[in-house]
Amino acid sequence: KAGVTQTPRYLIKTRGQQVTLSCSPISGHRSVSWYQQTPGQGLQFLFEYFSETQRNKGNFPGRFSGRQFSNSRSEMNVSTLELGDSALYLCASSLDWDSMGKLFFGSGTQLSVL
Amino acid sequence: SQQGEEDPQALSIQEGENATMNCSYKTSINNLQWYRQNSGRGLVHLILIRSNEREKHSGRLRVTLDTSKKSSSLLITASRAADTASYFCATDAIMGDKIIFGKGTRLHILP
Repeated sequence: KAGVTQTPRYLIKTRGQQVTLSCSPISGHRSVSWYQQTPGQGLQFLFEYFSETQRNKGNFPGRFSGRQFSNSRSEMNVSTLELGDSALYLCASSLDWDSMGKLFFGSGTQLSVL
Repeated sequence: SQQGEEDPQALSIQEGENATMNCSYKTSINNLQWYRQNSGRGLVHLILIRSNEREKHSGRLRVTLDTSKKSSSLLITASRAADTASYFCATDAIMGDKIIFGKGTRLHILP
């Protein structure tokens, strides 16, 4: 079974631009979560989608948005990029939302904002 | 805000020694998980311990959970160079609805 696939692996943007990151979960997984990882803040929860609906959202500004498609693939978008948005963005999928909560992570997209 | 806080932030030990990392959290949880991350890659699930369990083993890993102290520890026995990585605890709070990670412990195994 293929793992979680994130594209692109690396991305360089300039301030003010917008970016879209993609995540394909493990086949059969319906929940997709996004995390932002920076050296200073660790992993910060962005949002979680389940069956095309956003179920949870972290404390990020409205510039960060996402969506999930009927095949469970998910995208996240960041508009009006700021230098502080430079981070590793990790996507994780899970079979369903229950008390197990075991997450399977992709390799991440390293975003650099210049 | 972080739910879990790992301690220490960084740890260097000789190969073959045991490594112990601790995690403290703030609110009552359903379960606690430990993940490993190698050098900026994705996280890999290591072990999950439920709130009604006190100890769990998986190969060279031993995890304990003390819900009265809201803390957990991860012990890696007979460490190997390949164990060099960052280790994160993650919790899902009973009254919460998402999995929250700590900032991690960076473990370095010296040859």
